[in-house]
Amino acid sequence: DGGITQSPKYLFRKEGQNVTLSCEQNLNHDAMYWYRQDPGQGLRLIYYSQIVNDFQKGDIAEGYSVSREKKESFPLTVTSAQKNPTAFYLCASLSLDRREKLFFGSGTQLSVL
Amino acid sequence: QKEVEQDPGPLSVPEGAIVSLNCTYSNSAFQYFMWYRQYSRKGPELLMYTYSSGNKEDGRFTAQVDKSSKYISLFIRDSQPSDSATYLCAMSDAGNNRKLIWGLGTSLAVNP
Repeated sequence: DGGITQSPKYLFRKEGQNVTLSCEQNLNHDAMYWYRQDPGQGLRLIYYSQIVNDFQKGDIAEGYSVSREKKESFPLTVTSAQKNPTAFYLCASLSLDRREKLFFGSGTQLSVL
Repeated sequence: QKEVEQDPGPLSVPEGAIVSLNCTYSNSAFQYFMWYRQYSRKGPELLMYTYSSGNKEDGRFTAQVDKSSKYISLFIRDSQPSDSATYLCAMSDAGNNRKLIWGLGTSLAVNP
């Protein structure tokens, strides 16, 4: 079945540590997105990429980094510069032919030890 | 003022009730309007999509867009306990980027 796979489901970060969240899609979608979801704050866009080897900052990119070396993969690194990383992280992808339908992964809950 | 306003609830209704969920927005350039459903600790899934004004019906769900009032609604008829979830509205303009602007989501509980 086609879809988006996020891993791990739960992740714990120690202070000063960088952690990487994985996102893989087999939908052949061109565009991929990372969102952060906090209680009471809705979905906030971190980074997005519409093509391999290119990506743009979203609304809250500080403290995060991404890469897009392959069409199917869009990993997110939460760096030590992100002082409040505890949140639910969602990866999504989109066909540029059908821009209204974002497909989401199941999310990664990141917590700070 | 936020671009999209959505009452977070929570909203609690008995099984079989008609549910009305709403969002208001301020940007008159918005053309695409979506409703996503999100179960707890899962990714959102697209429920309804509407372009410009008008109504769209899909089974027990009806989406309405009133561009003159900058107001969108999602109606759920004969609500079921399985409809208990958070409902997020999202919208975008017609530009090439079509960045989605999200509401905060409304938490709905349908009680058996």
